[in-house]
Amino acid sequence: DSGVTQTPKHLITATGQRVTLRCSPRSGDLSVYWYQQSLDQGLQFLIHYYNGEERAKGNILERFSAQQFPDLHSELNLSSLELGDSALYFCASSVQDGLGQYFGPGTRLTVT
Amino acid sequence: GENVEQHPSTLSVQEGDSAVIKCTYSDSASNYFPWYKQELGKRPQLIIDIRSNVGEKKDQRIAVTLNKTAKHFSLHITETQPEDSAVYFCAASKDNLNKFYFGSGTKLNVKP
Repeated sequence: DSGVTQTPKHLITATGQRVTLRCSPRSGDLSVYWYQQSLDQGLQFLIHYYNGEERAKGNILERFSAQQFPDLHSELNLSSLELGDSALYFCASSVQDGLGQYFGPGTRLTVT
Repeated sequence: GENVEQHPSTLSVQEGDSAVIKCTYSDSASNYFPWYKQELGKRPQLIIDIRSNVGEKKDQRIAVTLNKTAKHFSLHITETQPEDSAVYFCAASKDNLNKFYFGSGTKLNVKP
């Protein structure tokens, strides 16, 4: 157990819908990163937050957005869902920017 | 942006043999290179990392080497065991570790 939690574990929804994925970092970690892992694919960096501020964006679609709250948990919002958005979504946290990232268990999103 | 290439995509070795996975990167400004192990259905776990100011780092049976001039880094696993079987990802980062770029992964199979 890395200490990073993600909810829900599984999510099944229809095309066109909107969902919110939640991530709670390890106690004391200020950085949260979001990644997408499609079936049999590698990890794609989506976005990075540090202490409530957005630090960097990767290959994140405009339909996706995220935020980090004062208690440091983070939410990834996915809207106008398409079949191709079906994937595993991981968040990871670290004390300092990037060093020693700890991944959460992931949320498996299925869009039907 | 950064481009990380990883080879081979699959690697099969006999228990006790060594395994080597190689990654190349394109941006000479990249300065942090972590390696992750992902077992089937589980989260990626950081197994070793290296910063650009050192050429090699070892942790028991695992080592990482970095050649900044050639812009490549490698993961070496000695005395492989069946529990080393997993997908291994390399990654590269710059920009104060705000973004991470991942290789496509290597599926390692250690045959008993």
